[in-house]
Amino acid sequence: AQKVTQAQTEISVVEKEDVTLDCVYETRDTTYYLFWYKQPPSGELVFLIRRNSFDEQNEISGRYSWNFQKSTSSFNFTITASQVVDSAVYFCALSVKPGTASKLTFGTGTRLQVTL
Amino acid sequence: EAGVVQSPRYKIIEKKQPVAFWCNPISGHNTLYWYLQNLGQGPELLIRYENEEAVDDSQLPKDRFSAERLKGVDSTLKIQPAELGDSAVYLCASSLVAGGLGEQFFGPGTRLTVL
Repeated sequence: AQKVTQAQTEISVVEKEDVTLDCVYETRDTTYYLFWYKQPPSGELVFLIRRNSFDEQNEISGRYSWNFQKSTSSFNFTITASQVVDSAVYFCALSVKPGTASKLTFGTGTRLQVTL
Repeated sequence: EAGVVQSPRYKIIEKKQPVAFWCNPISGHNTLYWYLQNLGQGPELLIRYENEEAVDDSQLPKDRFSAERLKGVDSTLKIQPAELGDSAVYLCASSLVAGGLGEQFFGPGTRLTVL
């Protein structure tokens, strides 16, 4: 069975601070995909990134960066110079059936509150 | 391009009443998902469709929940009768079959309150 753990329930930071959201996953499959989704107050989950298990290169997209470490089964997400608009619930998710329409297993989410 | 459309956005019903949710996926997306999201939790898959075929409904409580996707486009999720514990947000998502690899596009959800 697959499991995703987001131990941080809620994080509060002041604007312009950097913040890292932790994600630890469990799976016995050697081929899998990891995702981050953002859920703003409007409710829609917004796709942020997908990473496959064979690609451990870190990725940077603007103020967002992701650190994938298979050795620790972690896929952490860092927001640099946070902004109020970053306030949302962030979900890490795992899929173990690539190549087909996949079933996502989500973590419980981390609520990020960015204040002025 | 329009995103995933869901209606209604909010629904309040008495327990034991029936309720239905509607979803229109992104045009051309053959795969459609219904998720249940309880407060403070991540979404949990209820059912997945490939075109009009339900290929994964193992998490759907079939005694009271049903779903259909006639013609492989729109989908309806029904609860009959609703129970207090069904209060949650019901999310619909869609994805392309080929190359989607789990990249799913979500609608805004329907927030159900059962009194």
